Amino acid sequence: ELKVEQNPLFLSMQEGKNYTIYCNYSTTSDRLYWYRQDPGKSLESLFVLLSNGAVKQEGRLMASLDTKARLSTLHITAAVHDLSATYFCAERTSGTYKYIFGTGTRLKVLA
Amino acid sequence: DTAVSQTPKYLVTQMGNDKSIKCEQNLGHDTMYWYKQDSKKFLKIMFSYNNKELIINETVPNRFSPKSPDKAHLNLHINSLELGDSAVYFCASSSTGRLDNEQFFGPGTRLTVL
Repeated sequence: ELKVEQNPLFLSMQEGKNYTIYCNYSTTSDRLYWYRQDPGKSLESLFVLLSNGAVKQEGRLMASLDTKARLSTLHITAAVHDLSATYFCAERTSGTYKYIFGTGTRLKVLA
Repeated sequence: DTAVSQTPKYLVTQMGNDKSIKCEQNLGHDTMYWYKQDSKKFLKIMFSYNNKELIINETVPNRFSPKSPDKAHLNLHINSLELGDSAVYFCASSSTGRLDNEQFFGPGTRLTVL
């Protein structure tokens, strides 16, 4: 069964701290995506990672991809309250139109 | 300028009823999707159309029937609604012409079946 696993599922952290969310996938994926979802809202695209070793950064968030390990990480630097949301990774299986989403990581940044 | 729009935003209905959700995208994309997000926030793909042709049909009850009249529209009709159909339904679109095949999501339709 095709799977995308994220951990942790829940993350409560203090402002100013660093942390990493992990995303493991089981297929030979050629695309890895990170999304943010605020409560009651839609999914907002954060990063698209297209190749092994890809690294992208936006503000306090940095995403990376290791296709050999089938692992992507989302690193949070010096967290602020505004980053509180649920973060999803998703992979697109090579040669298909199918996107499989991870379980989501619910992040709460405490002031 | 909404890129992917859905109507209605909220839908409250009784068990056994039939209802439809509509989706439109103005991004010029050729592929559209329906996802279901359950109460635990888990997102699962239901259907996908590419150029009006059904290309993904996951193990969804046949009470759910998608229809794509053209590349910019994808509707979802649900017959004989059940309590377990309560969820948020998201429409999304992407372009096979883009290298990243990034998906853009609509605002969601929150369906509550009583």
